[in-house]
Amino acid sequence: GIQVEQSPPDLILQEGANSTLRCNFSDSVNNLQWFHQNPWGQLINLFYIPSGTKQNGRLSATTVATERYSLLYISSSQTTDSGVYFCAVGPYNTDKLIFGTGTRLQVFP
Amino acid sequence: NAGVMQNPRHLVRRRGQEARLRCSPVKGHSHVYWYRQLPEEGLKFMVYLQKENIIDESGMPKERFSAEFPKEGPSILRIQQVVRGDSAAYFCASSLNLGGAGNQPQHFGDGTRLSIL
Repeated sequence: GIQVEQSPPDLILQEGANSTLRCNFSDSVNNLQWFHQNPWGQLINLFYIPSGTKQNGRLSATTVATERYSLLYISSSQTTDSGVYFCAVGPYNTDKLIFGTGTRLQVFP
Repeated sequence: NAGVMQNPRHLVRRRGQEARLRCSPVKGHSHVYWYRQLPEEGLKFMVYLQKENIIDESGMPKERFSAEFPKEGPSILRIQQVVRGDSAAYFCASSLNLGGAGNQPQHFGDGTRLSIL
């Protein structure tokens, strides 16, 4: 089945720093979503981005489907950005999402 | 503008009891998915349902687990004779059906945390 790898596995930042999270996947997909799981366990939908670039405030994402990767950019990080960031992909001809193992982000004041 | 609603948020059961988890999709969404998250792991797909039909249950354990999405009412994930290893967070998601497999975003609920004593 399709493999989804995220890097780095852990990231520690000071407030105000920028960061880039990466998601590599091993086959073509027609769905790609980024999520933030906050310290209370809630899963927040950040982007639906099977291709192209989107921006939402301090967050932006780019997916290059032909090269099978996606990037999540976090600028001017805040302590509330802490948590685990998951990339999830939907292979063609299926409706399920395959989740990566996540990037755990800790932002300190 | 209600999103996916799951209840209960927390559920405690003793070994051997039954657990029932409920999920009401976003209004107008006809597809429901269940995922399981074990501690310190990512989410794993369990089952995909449309109204009154199970479409894909390839991630569902063969025994003790069942799911339904009736014509009226919420989707139910049922776990019979629970064991300690069933302790996990169970997430439900829903999506629109606009034709074509998997080309719509999935919207997730806040999950049900199941603890087995």
